[in-house]
Amino acid sequence: NAGVTQTPKFQVLKTGQSMTLQCAQDMNHEYMSWYRQDPGMGLRLIHYSVGAGITDQGEVPNGYNVSRSTTEDFPLRLLSAAPSQTSVYFCASRIRDRGEREQFFGPGTRLTVL
Amino acid sequence: AQSVTQLDSQVPVFEEAPVELRCNYSSSVSVYLFWYVQYPNQGLQLLLKYLSGSTLVKGINGFEAEFNKSQTSFHLRKPSVHISDTAEYFCAVSFFGNEKLTFGTGTRLTIIP
Repeated sequence: NAGVTQTPKFQVLKTGQSMTLQCAQDMNHEYMSWYRQDPGMGLRLIHYSVGAGITDQGEVPNGYNVSRSTTEDFPLRLLSAAPSQTSVYFCASRIRDRGEREQFFGPGTRLTVL
Repeated sequence: AQSVTQLDSQVPVFEEAPVELRCNYSSSVSVYLFWYVQYPNQGLQLLLKYLSGSTLVKGINGFEAEFNKSQTSFHLRKPSVHISDTAEYFCAVSFFGNEKLTFGTGTRLTIIP
C-alpha cells in the first residue's frame, strides 16, 4: 500500500492564481481531511469528509474548496491564492468512527504564494 | 469549549537525560488522545495513542504517556533521549461524538550533545 499520497510536494503561486492540491489514499478509509501547518500554530483543520459526496468545514475553511467524488481522492482547491495561504498542507485519512481514530498523514505540500 | 494545550513551545534536553512534554485538554466528554512526531521536513507519524483501558500507554522509540483524567493531562515521557529524537511533537485530541482531531501547537524537542 502506498498509504496517503500528496502532489505536488512544492508549489509557488502568484497572488490570485488558482490551483488544486491532490490527495489520494489506497486504504479504503472513509474519513479524509486537510490541515495546514503554520509555525507556532500547530495543525489546523481546513475541511474534512466522512465519505464520498459528504464534506464539511473545519477550523479555517475560508479560501478553500473541497469535493469528494470517490473514496480514494480528496482534492483541495485554492480559487484565488493569497499570501496568507503560504503554508504546509497535509492530507490525512482514517477508518471512520470505530474508536481507533488514528489518522495517517501524507508527506505534505509546501505552498508559497507571492 | 473543547481544546488542547501544549504548554512548552521548545524544550532543550541533554542527550541521555529524561524528558517530559506536557499536554492538557479541556473537555466535558470522553476523549481519545494521541501523540504525533514530525521529524524535520517530514510528515506526521503516530507515536502512541490512548483510547481506553490502562492509563499508561507505551509507544514507539521508547516513549510513553500517562492519561490523567482528574488533571485532564496526557504528558509524554522518555527516560533517556537521543539525538535522533530531535523533532516536533504534537498532542492531539479527538472528542467523543466529534469526528475531528484537534492538535496542540506543538513542542520542539532539541537534544543537546
